[in-house]
Amino acid sequence: SYVLTQPPSVSVAPGQTARITCGGDNIESESVHWYQQKPGQAPVLVVYDDTDRPSGIPERFSGSNSGNTATLTISRVEAGDEADYYCQVWDSSSHHVVFGGGTKLTVL
Amino acid sequence: EVQLVESGGGLVKPGGSLRLSCAASGFDFSKDNMNWVRQAPGKGLEWLSSISGSGTFIFHADSVKGRFTISRDNAKNSLYLQLNSLRAEDTAVYYCARDVVTMAAHGNWGQGTLVTVSS
Repeated sequence: SYVLTQPPSVSVAPGQTARITCGGDNIESESVHWYQQKPGQAPVLVVYDDTDRPSGIPERFSGSNSGNTATLTISRVEAGDEADYYCQVWDSSSHHVVFGGGTKLTVL
Repeated sequence: EVQLVESGGGLVKPGGSLRLSCAASGFDFSKDNMNWVRQAPGKGLEWLSSISGSGTFIFHADSVKGRFTISRDNAKNSLYLQLNSLRAEDTAVYYCARDVVTMAAHGNWGQGTLVTVSS
């Protein structure tokens, strides 16, 4: 089955740029979605189809996907961005949704 | 406003069963794919099941195939997950989620319902 690999943690200072990666075999051929989850809350979709943002999501959140790595980029990081972030794809070969293991973003 | 409200969680003994429900409102329920996702304490998100708007297409994760069954009643705007043969490792918060715009983009989530499997 398809596997998505994320770093367990990423740290960044306020105002800097955070990049969270999601590795998968030829992931560029998949549509990658990203979720933000704060403690005790349900996940929130922040990027879908590699690069698109749902309404209400700040432009500071952006996505890219190339080769074997998809990336969620958060510009001008704020304390409120501290959360767990998950990448996800629909694996059409197995008809399964696949989540990455999640990355904890710490704002220093 | 889109709302998804799960119910049916609780404490159950190993080997027992539960039926989770998700009441949907604020959108045309019959048109959208729906999903169940769970999160064990301190762990990541785990997809369980998806069902198409008409209920024609159903997919289950290998980890729960044969034990969990997703279904929906479009007349009642409700999504269900039948959980059988429960194990301690099934202890988790169970979320229902709605696909928006594109396949598997879970744009709306409920608040979750906690299932605890313990003797």
